[in-house]
Amino acid sequence: QKEVEQDPGPLSVPEGAIVSLNCTYSNSAFQYFMWYRQYSRKGPELLMYTYSSGNKEDGRFTAQVDKSSKYISLFIRDSQPSDSATYLCAMNYNYQLIWGAGTKLIIKP
Amino acid sequence: SAVISQKPSRDICQRGTSLTIQCQVDSQVTMMFWYRQQPGQSLTLIATANQGSEATYESGFVIDKFPISRPNLTFSTLTVSNMSPEDSSIYLCSAADSSYEQYFGPGTRLTVT
Repeated sequence: QKEVEQDPGPLSVPEGAIVSLNCTYSNSAFQYFMWYRQYSRKGPELLMYTYSSGNKEDGRFTAQVDKSSKYISLFIRDSQPSDSATYLCAMNYNYQLIWGAGTKLIIKP
Repeated sequence: SAVISQKPSRDICQRGTSLTIQCQVDSQVTMMFWYRQQPGQSLTLIATANQGSEATYESGFVIDKFPISRPNLTFSTLTVSNMSPEDSSIYLCSAADSSYEQYFGPGTRLTVT
């Protein structure tokens, strides 16, 4: 069993829809939970991070962490074609990040 | 956030040769990392580049194959030695000042023929 599980998709939704991306994990020692966005042929870009359980909002993006269930989510409201990318979750272990497989998201105009 | 540049952005190399990839950060950072990413796959950590000391390699990666230098707090190099087609991949450099915020370069796309 991998430490971090993430469905690779692809996930295809129409423009304007609410998108839900998720990861599960097994190590209860993780403290910070990150979401990265990666466009094709680019490096990953840090979108948001959350410390411990709770929600964090930034514009159209909301990150949610449920440590009791070992489950994290990223919600994208009013999705746009420009949101089409691969979204990777990551969790910290000391100074290293443990990565999910990445979910390929396609927003159809 | 740190801005990271990498050179070269891409290269096509013959098997048996070596390629050195450079990573430059626009500010001093505590940690620098090197990753490999196959197209459509997640990131695999190769090593942590330590300033002034030997890099720390992950399981499956060795110094003879992937020598790393970090002469100061803003620069690091990764060499891919004695290349084979299996080394064809995207190589990414990242930098961090905390245990959770890593910032990435644009990557180097390597093809070995």
